[in-house]
Order: sequence, then structure tokens, then C-alpha cells
Amino acid sequence: DAGVIQSPRHEVTEMGQEVTLRCKPISGHDYLFWYRQTMMRGLELLIYFNNNVPIDDSGMPEDRFSAKMPNASFSTLKIQPSEPRDSAVYFCASSSGGKTQYFGPGTRLLVL
Amino acid sequence: AQSVTQLGSHVSVSEGALVLLRCNYSSSVPPYLFWYVQYPNQGLQLLLKYTTGATLVKGINGFEAEFKKSETSFHLTKPSAHMSDAAEYFCAVISRGNAGNMLTFGGGTRLMVKP
Repeated sequence: DAGVIQSPRHEVTEMGQEVTLRCKPISGHDYLFWYRQTMMRGLELLIYFNNNVPIDDSGMPEDRFSAKMPNASFSTLKIQPSEPRDSAVYFCASSSGGKTQYFGPGTRLLVL
Repeated sequence: AQSVTQLGSHVSVSEGALVLLRCNYSSSVPPYLFWYVQYPNQGLQLLLKYTTGATLVKGINGFEAEFKKSETSFHLTKPSAHMSDAAEYFCAVISRGNAGNMLTFGGGTRLMVKP
């Protein structure tokens, strides 16, 4: 199994630009999670899906952040417009049954 | 509500010495407990987990952890540290029956191994 796949691995953009992060979960997994990791705040859950349906998005910082899961094998996290404080590592994780989560390699985002 | 506390944000040991990383949790219902390891510039890798059954759990790379309900602890140990163990380690909890299925992470412990 290829594991959770995230793209891009690194993204550098300018403030105000739209950023789209992509995630392909492990085949057959029915839960997908988006996390953000920063030095100041550690690991934060942003949103998670079950069977492609968003279940809890209370961790999404503000309306500039949105996430979609159009099918079982693909999810996006979009930031529009991006701000320097959004600079972080964004992780996607997937799970079968919602308990043990397997993480992707992350996308390192830098907003200038 | 559930929470996880990892005592010591940095732990330094000599190569060959015992590794002990502490984790205490709070949960109103019996928990699932996890340890993840993060190597520099990489994602989180599952090290081991406790769900049910035997309270001493063995994981990859020679690590093990023991679930102690009376102490609400799930400390991670390894008898002999190796240089390749240098990484950040995260303890995490999900409460059984939590419809939210949300992992709550501790703040992480950075393990340094001295030659």
C-alpha cells in the first residue's frame, strides 16, 4: 500500500494568493482528517470526514479555510486568501473505522 | 473532554541507555491510546497503540508502552537507545464511544540521543 499521499510537499506563496493542498487517503479507509502543525500550537485537527461527508470542522480557523472530499480517494484543503500566519505543516491522515490514523508526509506551506 | 500531558518537552539520553517518555491522559471513558514518532521533515508514524486486552503493548523499533489505568498513564520505554531513535514523540488519546473520533495529542517530546 502506498500510504497517504499528499501534494505538494512544499509550497511557497505570497500573501493573498489561493493555496490548494491535496490528499489521497489509503484505499478503503472511510475517515479522512486534516491537521495543522506549528511550533506555537502543536498539532491541531482542522476538519475530518467520514464517508466523504464533513463531520466536524470546528477546528477550521476561519472562513478563509475550506475543505472538500468529492470522492473516497481525494480531498482538498484550500486557503483563500492566504496569510503569513497560515505558514505551517499541513498533514492529512486516514483511518478505517475512525480509530487508528495513518498520516501522510505533510505539506510544508510558507506564505510570504 | 480528553487531554494528554507529556512531561518533558525535551529528553536527552546516552546511546545504550534506557528511554522513558512520559504520557498521562484524562478521559471520562476508557481510552484508546497511541504513540506516534515524527522524524525531521516527515509525517507522523504510528509506533504502537493500546485498544483492549494486554496492557503492555509492543511496537516497532523495540519500543513498548504500558497502559496503567490507576495512574492514567501510558509511558513509552525502550531498554537501549539508538542514535536513530532521535525524533519527536507524540502521545495521543481517543475516548471510546466518542462519536467524534478525534485524536487529542500531547505537546510532544523531543528525544535526543548522545553518542
